[in-house]
Amino acid sequence: EDQVTQSPEALRLQEGESSSLNCSYTVSGLRGLFWYRQDPGKGPEFLFTLYSAGEEKEKERLKATLTKKESFLHITAPKPEDSATYLCAVQGYSSASKIIFGSGTRLSIRP
Amino acid sequence: GAGVSQSPSNKVTEKGKDVELRCDPISGHTALYWYRQSLGQGLEFLIYFQGNSAPDKSGLPSDRFSAERTGGSVSTLTIQRTQQEDSAVYLCASSLGEGGAYQETQYFGPGTRLLVL
Repeated sequence: EDQVTQSPEALRLQEGESSSLNCSYTVSGLRGLFWYRQDPGKGPEFLFTLYSAGEEKEKERLKATLTKKESFLHITAPKPEDSATYLCAVQGYSSASKIIFGSGTRLSIRP
Repeated sequence: GAGVSQSPSNKVTEKGKDVELRCDPISGHTALYWYRQSLGQGLEFLIYFQGNSAPDKSGLPSDRFSAERTGGSVSTLTIQRTQQEDSAVYLCASSLGEGGAYQETQYFGPGTRLLVL
């Protein structure tokens, strides 16, 4: 059964303090791994899709990387506006149409 | 252009009543998805539409849940005889649906917060 586990559940950082969020996954053949950002009271906002181990994608202060077992979302010199819940999701070939989401990491950046 | 819209934004109902939740996808998007997000939980896939057809409705939790899509656009999720465990945020997303829908970027609406008393 496809599974996604995100850690930590919550992370508090000082502005400018870089860190990484982890997404561990189990899937029978990865079709894609997705990262989303979700602000309170809003729907998830798409950030990245990664397809194969070794792939990296960047957007502003965020960089997503992928291995065969996990993905990391690296946040460099974060700002308070980066505070949000970050969701990881996977789609495997065996699960056909389903995309499995993790429960997210709540990131809080203090000024 | 306009994003995905959902209505109502909030719904409070009594146990046993039926509710209808509406989703307006981005114009031109043929793929539409419904998810449920419970407090502290990840998003749970409910159903996927391609045009007006639902090739995958495997995520619907019970036969009290149904969904339809008309004109390849608006979709309605109906929950009959609501139960307290149905309380959650119901999210709708759409994508272009042009090729391998599940590798496409999904754009989410703001959600409908349902509370069953």
